Amino acid sequence: TQLLEQSPQFLSIQEGENLTVYCNSSSVFSSLQWYRQEPGEGPVLLVTVVTGGEVKKLKRLTFQFGDARKDSSLHITAAQTGDTGLYLCAGGTGNQFYFGTGTSLTVIP
Amino acid sequence: KAGVTQTPRYLIKTRGQQVTLSCSPISGHRSVSWYQQTPGQGLQFLFEYFSETQRNKGNFPGRFSGRQFSNSRSEMNVSTLELGDSALYLCASSRLAGAYNEQFFGPGTRLTVL
Repeated sequence: TQLLEQSPQFLSIQEGENLTVYCNSSSVFSSLQWYRQEPGEGPVLLVTVVTGGEVKKLKRLTFQFGDARKDSSLHITAAQTGDTGLYLCAGGTGNQFYFGTGTSLTVIP
Repeated sequence: KAGVTQTPRYLIKTRGQQVTLSCSPISGHRSVSWYQQTPGQGLQFLFEYFSETQRNKGNFPGRFSGRQFSNSRSEMNVSTLELGDSALYLCASSRLAGAYNEQFFGPGTRLTVL
């Protein structure tokens, strides 16, 4: 079983603060994707990382894939209320995807 | 390009009934996956279809079934509904982007079983 664990499970911060969410596994993945999901809606793909050590930036969001391609992190700078949602990581191997347990982020104005 | 569409968006059924959910993938995507999402269990993989064939299957009872048509549209069926089947059912289509697959989700169907 390829299990992806995310931490923290819940996070509540003030607007303007920085935060980091972690996605860890003992398995190697060929790609890792991050999604954000709002209540009652489907997850929206934010980014895909594929190379060990790769760093991608999407405005205030920075994504990093671990050197061994087993873990990833998402860092948000100066969080805004619009960042509120459930963040999911998903490891891809072949044609299968394995989802993390999710991090529920609440940004308080 | 239109995204993944799912119908209906909301559904209320009673125990013992059956239900069929529909998913239209992004144009050109041949793989369609189905997931069940509940607050307690998170996102759980049901099955994946590629070119009308079930390629991968999760750990769900046989009451959950699916199929894919030649135009890549997919349906999933749940028979003999139980209260525990209440969930958000998500469909995702995926494409091969170089050497890896990328998955895109639809808005989901919220199923409530009474």
